[in-house]
Amino acid sequence: DAGVTQSPTHLIKTRGQQVTLRCSPKSGHDTVSWYQQALGQGPQFIFQYYEEEERQRGNFPDRFSGHQFPNYSSELNVNALLLGDSALYLCASRRGQGIDQPQHFGDGTRLSIL
Amino acid sequence: TQLLEQSPQFLSIQEGENLTVYCNSSSVFSSLQWYRQEPGEGPVLLVTVVTGGEVKKLKRLTFQFGDARKDSSLHITAAQPGDTGLYLCAGLIYNQGGKLIFGQGTELSVKP
Repeated sequence: DAGVTQSPTHLIKTRGQQVTLRCSPKSGHDTVSWYQQALGQGPQFIFQYYEEEERQRGNFPDRFSGHQFPNYSSELNVNALLLGDSALYLCASRRGQGIDQPQHFGDGTRLSIL
Repeated sequence: TQLLEQSPQFLSIQEGENLTVYCNSSSVFSSLQWYRQEPGEGPVLLVTVVTGGEVKKLKRLTFQFGDARKDSSLHITAAQPGDTGLYLCAGLIYNQGGKLIFGQGTELSVKP
């Protein structure tokens, strides 16, 4: 039973470019959340998707957008990349919308902006 | 605004010593979770505490949720080099769905 898988594992971009990160949730999970973890910090919530809709959003600019597909997989898109966007981007999935359901994290995508 | 203050940020100890990590907030959480993260990997859930005053034990790790559900602690007894890693506390707030609010993390190094 595969857990949460993210691709790519590493990515290098330059300022102003755009990037798309991908996440496949754990089998049986239908809710996907994205987090940004800067070096030496705890993860920060970006947004959450359920039933192909954005349900919650953290304090991130509109340059950060996402999508969820009918198979529950998800994408995170970031436009007009800034140096400060360099971070580990984590995807987490859980079953349903109940907050008592544990979230499972992928190993993340390490994004470096030059 | 950092809703969860985690301390200490760094901790370097010798094998066999005890340690405690704290998470404090002015907000009430419906539950609080503790994760451990290794380099190059995502956080792995260790425990979830839900009830005020709750204590949970996981081998040499003891987790406690404050009576008012605003704070939590992680105590490790007789630390081992294998305990080395980043420990993160994360809380869930009522009416905010599954949005986890993380502390800054505690980087623990246990030297043999």
